[in-house]
Amino acid sequence: NAGVTQTPKFQVLKTGQSMTLQCAQDMNHEYMSWYRQDPGMGLRLIHYSVGAGITDQGEVPNGYNVSRSTTEDFPLRLLSAAPSQTSVYFCASSYSVGQLNYGYTFGSGTRLTVV
Amino acid sequence: KQEVTQIPAALSVPEGENLVLNCSFTDSAIYNLQWFRQDPGKGLTSLLLIQSSQREQTSGRLNASLDKSSGRSTLYIAASQPGDSATYLCAVSGRTLTFGKGTMLLVSP
Repeated sequence: NAGVTQTPKFQVLKTGQSMTLQCAQDMNHEYMSWYRQDPGMGLRLIHYSVGAGITDQGEVPNGYNVSRSTTEDFPLRLLSAAPSQTSVYFCASSYSVGQLNYGYTFGSGTRLTVV
Repeated sequence: KQEVTQIPAALSVPEGENLVLNCSFTDSAIYNLQWFRQDPGKGLTSLLLIQSSQREQTSGRLNASLDKSSGRSTLYIAASQPGDSATYLCAVSGRTLTFGKGTMLLVSP
């Protein structure tokens, strides 16, 4: 049981390049989300999904796209990288039964530097 | 908009001390509250999950309480050890998961 797997672990991009951060979970969780973590800002929600085919914006969605074609995968796309997107990115998944949510599991993160 | 505040931002204690980390949130309409630990350069490890209907949860030397009506949670660490040194994050789950900025804990031998 791998949990939440993020790839790559490290990436350096040039300004204007595009790339996709991969996130996969093997726990059949319906809820998946992406966060970025910056010094002094804490973790901020970028996009989230409550199930296959459904996505929504979080607090800081600009410059990022997501899609959810399967329950397992939730990739994050940077359309045209900017230095302001230098950050550590975390993917998380969760599940609920009725009103009861069973907590979030996080991946190990992707450290992205845009030069 | 949910806001989560953690106090103190940093804490330094000698080994063996009992300590309390505080978390407050502005919107009491939450499903649960989760405490995480983050080591430098690493991911988030879940420590304790308290459902909105519960008052506390315990795991080993850790005890977390939740007072939803006052918008407060505390994480109590008993008999602290140098291995407890890390950043502790509080997160509340409503429609989305909202984090505090964390308490950086240093336990010295």
